[in-house]
Amino acid sequence: SAVISQKPSRDICQRGTSLTIQCQVDSQVTMMFWYRQQPGQSLTLIATANQGSEATYESGFVIDKFPISRPNLTFSTLTVSNMSPEDSSIYLCSVEMWRAGGEDTQYFGPGTRLTVL
Amino acid sequence: GQQLNQSPQSMFIQEGEDVSMNCTSSSIFNTWLWYKQEPGEGPVLLIALYKAGELTSNGRLTAQFGITRKDSFLNISASIPSDVGIYFCAGQYVGGTSYGKLTFGQGTILTVHP
Repeated sequence: SAVISQKPSRDICQRGTSLTIQCQVDSQVTMMFWYRQQPGQSLTLIATANQGSEATYESGFVIDKFPISRPNLTFSTLTVSNMSPEDSSIYLCSVEMWRAGGEDTQYFGPGTRLTVL
Repeated sequence: GQQLNQSPQSMFIQEGEDVSMNCTSSSIFNTWLWYKQEPGEGPVLLIALYKAGELTSNGRLTAQFGITRKDSFLNISASIPSDVGIYFCAGQYVGGTSYGKLTFGQGTILTVHP
């Protein structure tokens, strides 16, 4: 499996501001993903971050609100822009990697806990 | 879009008991994954299933990929206090524009009383 780190681990922000979350992987991966987990809820995919191309956003998520960068095969950032209290969630990055058995699967980072006041 | 129904929503059991939870989908997947999430952590992969009918074990955990490709179950035998957490199923359909996307169930909150 991969070692995935996220920064910051948590933050408290004021409404109207923006926060950039970083995701670093210890090996090169083709596919990285960003998920949101609202309080007490399951995980919802925000977008797929592909190196060298624009991120692919899921329905209900737009680039202006959640701009994503993927400058290389080990790093990605997600920005939560113009935040409101409704953006208070855990934001998780994940990576798709090959397992020993030959199939690929997804591993998750520890998450960034965001509270917007 | 695809939806996953995971049940039960929560379980309160005694240490030593067996646990069973399942997920059903409105459409097929070609991969089923089971994750565990503890407070303050990201989901940790427990078991991955890639073939219809596949039965896979990981210690006290056993999971199966349903024959119809629309369901999966996870069993935990002889539960212990450290099994406490939220268990999520996730389905993945590899193909087209949905490559890599995971669809998650609502989660099963497991509480184990010593």
